[in-house]
Amino acid sequence: DIQMTQSPSSLSASVGDRVTITCRASQSISIYLNWYQQKPGKAPKLLIYAASTLQNGVSSRFSGSGSGTDFTLTISSLQPEDFAAYYCQQTFTFPLTFGGGTKVELK
Amino acid sequence: EVQLLESGGGLVQPGGSLRLSCEASGFTFSNYAMSWVRQAPGKGLEWVSSISNSGISTYYAESVKGRFTISRDNPKNTLYLQLSSLRAEDTATYYCAKVAIRDWGVEHWGQGTLVSVFS
Repeated sequence: DIQMTQSPSSLSASVGDRVTITCRASQSISIYLNWYQQKPGKAPKLLIYAASTLQNGVSSRFSGSGSGTDFTLTISSLQPEDFAAYYCQQTFTFPLTFGGGTKVELK
Repeated sequence: EVQLLESGGGLVQPGGSLRLSCEASGFTFSNYAMSWVRQAPGKGLEWVSSISNSGISTYYAESVKGRFTISRDNPKNTLYLQLSSLRAEDTATYYCAKVAIRDWGVEHWGQGTLVSVFS
């Protein structure tokens, strides 16, 4: 199985900060990497697919990059509505696997 | 608008069974693969199972293989997950998920249904 390792597991940041979350795959997954946002008590929401393509309707302050084994999600200027948990997921092969998540909290 | 409405969750004893349903609307159900993803209380997301648009191909996480069965009824626009031999560690919110055509990622999520396994 492909293991997905996210870091950090949590971070504290202020509104306006630039935030970067990383996700590392245990083997190459090309660009088969999605990012999701989940707010407390809500279902997750797709932010980015194919490592760097923004889902329709998602703010352009979110961006993704990477290929192979190393990926990043960047929030260019953190907004109050961005405080949430973020998960990466590889869709290269079954079993599909998620990273452990990164919780972005208010400093 | 895509809507995924799960039902069937509840309290069940270890070793028991449940059937989850997911009624889909707002898209051509038979054109899309579907998945179930779960989340234990306070924990991260865990992929459980996926099924092709025709229902011919199914895939399972090792943790549920042989105990859970995914199926679909395309004329009824409904996805199912039969849960059997339930364990405490199966306690989670189960999300129904519409899979993107380009890959097996989740394009849309239902609101989830809670399954609690307790003795």
